[in-house]
Amino acid sequence: NAGVTQTPKFRILKIGQSMTLQCTQDMNHNYMYWYRQDPGMGLKLIYYSVGAGITDKGEVPNGYNVSRSTTEDFPLRLELAAPSQTSVYFCASRPRSGRASLYFGPGTRLTVT
Amino acid sequence: DQQVKQNSPSLSVQEGRISILNCDYTNSMFDYFLWYKKYPAEGPTFLISISSIKDKNEDGRFTVFLNKSAKHLSLHIVPSQPGDSAVYFCAASANAGGTSYGKLTFGQGTILTVHP
Repeated sequence: NAGVTQTPKFRILKIGQSMTLQCTQDMNHNYMYWYRQDPGMGLKLIYYSVGAGITDKGEVPNGYNVSRSTTEDFPLRLELAAPSQTSVYFCASRPRSGRASLYFGPGTRLTVT
Repeated sequence: DQQVKQNSPSLSVQEGRISILNCDYTNSMFDYFLWYKKYPAEGPTFLISISSIKDKNEDGRFTVFLNKSAKHLSLHIVPSQPGDSAVYFCAASANAGGTSYGKLTFGQGTILTVHP
């Protein structure tokens, strides 16, 4: 199993540009999440999904969109990049049942200038 | 509103000694707590967890203690090793009648450095 994979690893965007951060998991997990981590801060939840076709906002959803057309994939879309979106983005997944921990991907480091 | 706080940004210990990382929370609905470890340029990895029905959970060199009345938990690493040097995040979740969907609230992290 590759676990949770994210692409790209690094990206520099200009203000106003758009991009999609890709996330794929091969563990057949129902629940998937997008977090961002700013320097010196904890991880903050952007969006989450409990299954294909079902998504909901987390703590900091403004400026982002998500979709979940399959169990495996959970892309995060930035439509109009702003410097405040400079961060490291982590995708995570976990099984539906119990109080299992989250499995995280390696992250995407995004800089908006 | 920081519901989970790690008030020590960094901790430095000598190899072989005990490392104690602390975490405080404010939300009384939290009933499950986790510690994650993060190396540079990698995602966080799960370390150990504890349910609110317990006050201690042990896994090898790692022990987590929970004091519900003080809304405080701590992670003890004994003995500390240089390979333990990483950022440690405390996280919490609430069952909320099954509607929390596993969402975690994270603290800011503590950078642990273990010197040989």
